[in-house]
Amino acid sequence: KQEVTQIPAALSVPEGENLVLNCSFTDSAIYNLQWFRQDPGKGLTSLLLIQSSQREQTSGRLNASLDKSSGRSTLYIAASQPGDSATYLCAVCNSGNTPLVFGKGTRLSVIA
Amino acid sequence: GAGVSQSPSNKVTEKGKDVELRCDPISGHTALYWYRQSLGQGLEFLIYFQGNSAPDKSGLPSDRFSAERTGGSVSTLTIQRTQQEDSAVYLCASKTGLLYNEQFFGPGTRLTVL
Repeated sequence: KQEVTQIPAALSVPEGENLVLNCSFTDSAIYNLQWFRQDPGKGLTSLLLIQSSQREQTSGRLNASLDKSSGRSTLYIAASQPGDSATYLCAVCNSGNTPLVFGKGTRLSVIA
Repeated sequence: GAGVSQSPSNKVTEKGKDVELRCDPISGHTALYWYRQSLGQGLEFLIYFQGNSAPDKSGLPSDRFSAERTGGSVSTLTIQRTQQEDSAVYLCASKTGLLYNEQFFGPGTRLTVL
């Protein structure tokens, strides 16, 4: 059974810092991995999707990497801003259209 | 373009009552998923529809939970005889039938059972 773990559970950084959020999964046979952002009381916003054949994806100040063989992904946020404060969720898709398996998230606070 | 929409946004009900939650997926998306997010817990899968295939109900926590998808579009999640432990945010997501595409989520319905 696939399990997804995110470390740390919470993180507080001063504005302007670069930071890394970690995600690990137990079954390396994944189709893709998706990073989401969730603001309090809101739904999920997709940030980046990495296919199993890819090593990384970039969008603006965000860079997500995938090391499938070791069961790890990282989300790198450059030059963090207070508006980046949210919970970041990592989720893996094991095959085709099957449901996502989520980690419990990392709650990020960027202090001005 | 329109995203995934859900209604109601909030629902407060009394223990023992039935509730219906609605999801309108993105037009043309053939796959639809229901997830639940309980306080302090991660998102857990409930049920999944793909085209005309029989739904995958393996995530439903009890037989009080059921869902249907009419005409391959709108879906309704029904919880019968609600219990306090059913209180959670219920999220719906949809995606195209292509294998590698991402899931898009709705804003969720926050259910509170008193």
